[in-house]
Amino acid sequence: KAGVTQTPRYLIKTRGQQVTLSCSPISGHRSVSWYQQTPGQGLQFLFEYFSETQRNKGNFPGRFSGRQFSNSRSEMNVSTLELGDSALYLCASSLNEGATETQYFGPGTRLLVL
Amino acid sequence: GESVGLHLPTLSVQEGDNSIINCAYSNSASDYFIWYKQESGKGPQFIIDIRSNMDKRQGQRVTVLLNKTVKHLSLQIAATQPGDSAVYFCAETWGAQKLVFGQGTRLTINP
Repeated sequence: KAGVTQTPRYLIKTRGQQVTLSCSPISGHRSVSWYQQTPGQGLQFLFEYFSETQRNKGNFPGRFSGRQFSNSRSEMNVSTLELGDSALYLCASSLNEGATETQYFGPGTRLLVL
Repeated sequence: GESVGLHLPTLSVQEGDNSIINCAYSNSASDYFIWYKQESGKGPQFIIDIRSNMDKRQGQRVTVLLNKTVKHLSLQIAATQPGDSAVYFCAETWGAQKLVFGQGTRLTINP
């Protein structure tokens, strides 16, 4: 069974631009969670989607948003990019919603904001 | 490779020795804990989990110990191998909400 895939793997943007990242979960998994990983803040939860609905949200500004499609694929969008948004963005999928479900992570999208 | 932390605590062990990685968690209400392994250039990989109604759980070459009194979690890796080199994260959650990750520990294996 194929793992979680994320596209693109690397991205360079400039301040003020917006970006959309994509995540394809493991086949049959219905929940997708997004995380931001930086050297300074570590791994931080952004949000979780299940059945096309946002179920949980972390402490990030409204510039960070996401959505999930009927096939469970998910996208996250960051608008008005700031230098501090440079990070590795990780997507994780699980069979069902909730943090006690085993999450399988993708390789991440490395975003650099200049 | 992936730099997950500029100043991560580092543990160096000899190949074949046992490793013990420690984690202090933050919330006394946390009821579920997970250990993840992250190799360079990859996303975190699930290793083992434990619920708060247990104090020990064993997997293949790994054991997780939970001490709720002092809010401490440890991961023991038996007979450490070169492939165990990675950053290890503990994560906690309460009420099945979001996962909260620790800062991570870098494990390096000396031949």
